[in-house]
Amino acid sequence: AQTVTQSQPEMSVQEAETVTLSCTYDTSESDYYLFWYKQPPSRQMILVIRQEAYKQQNATENRFSVNFQKAAKSFSLKISDSQLGDAAMYFCAYRKSNNAGNMLTFGGGTRLMVKP
Amino acid sequence: GAVVSQHPSRVICKSGTSVKIECRSLDFQATTMFWYRQFPKQSLMLMATSNEGSKATYEQGVEKDKFLINHASLTLSTLTVTSAHPEDSSFYICSASGGVSYNEQFFGPGTRLTVL
Repeated sequence: AQTVTQSQPEMSVQEAETVTLSCTYDTSESDYYLFWYKQPPSRQMILVIRQEAYKQQNATENRFSVNFQKAAKSFSLKISDSQLGDAAMYFCAYRKSNNAGNMLTFGGGTRLMVKP
Repeated sequence: GAVVSQHPSRVICKSGTSVKIECRSLDFQATTMFWYRQFPKQSLMLMATSNEGSKATYEQGVEKDKFLINHASLTLSTLTVTSAHPEDSSFYICSASGGVSYNEQFFGPGTRLTVL
């Protein structure tokens, strides 16, 4: 079974600074997707970024980028120029293959606090 | 992006009663819907996966007679918590995939259930 681990229950960053959230996963599959989701106080899950395992290039979305280390099974999220609105729970997630009908396996989450 | 709604957003009920939560895909056909449960300060736990027109597949430890899931159309899935008890109090989130959103799951805003 696949597992996803987020070792940082809480992280704090100063506004405008950069923060990195860690995620490791375990799988024997070769075809899979990795995701970072944001859950603000409203509880609405928001997709931040996705990475296809077969792509060597790290995904980027504006201020958000990932460091995908396939051999190490590591998938960290870097948030640059942190903003107050980035404060939320962040969940790393794994999905087998390109089929969105497959389940997501979530990590335990990291609560990010942004200090003004 | 695709929109998923949930109704109601909050519900309070007495112990022993049944509660139905609706999950709708508003602008796409959802061939697969997922139901999650989230306890305070915890991650999302998958309860079941439902494909339109088929019986739901429940995760280990989830009572299928307790949590009835129906996915009768491509835009609607329902979760009925039968004979609710205080320990069923939680935040329930649905997600949907299918059609043009085949590569992604879209999440509903969640339903907070409180059983007195």
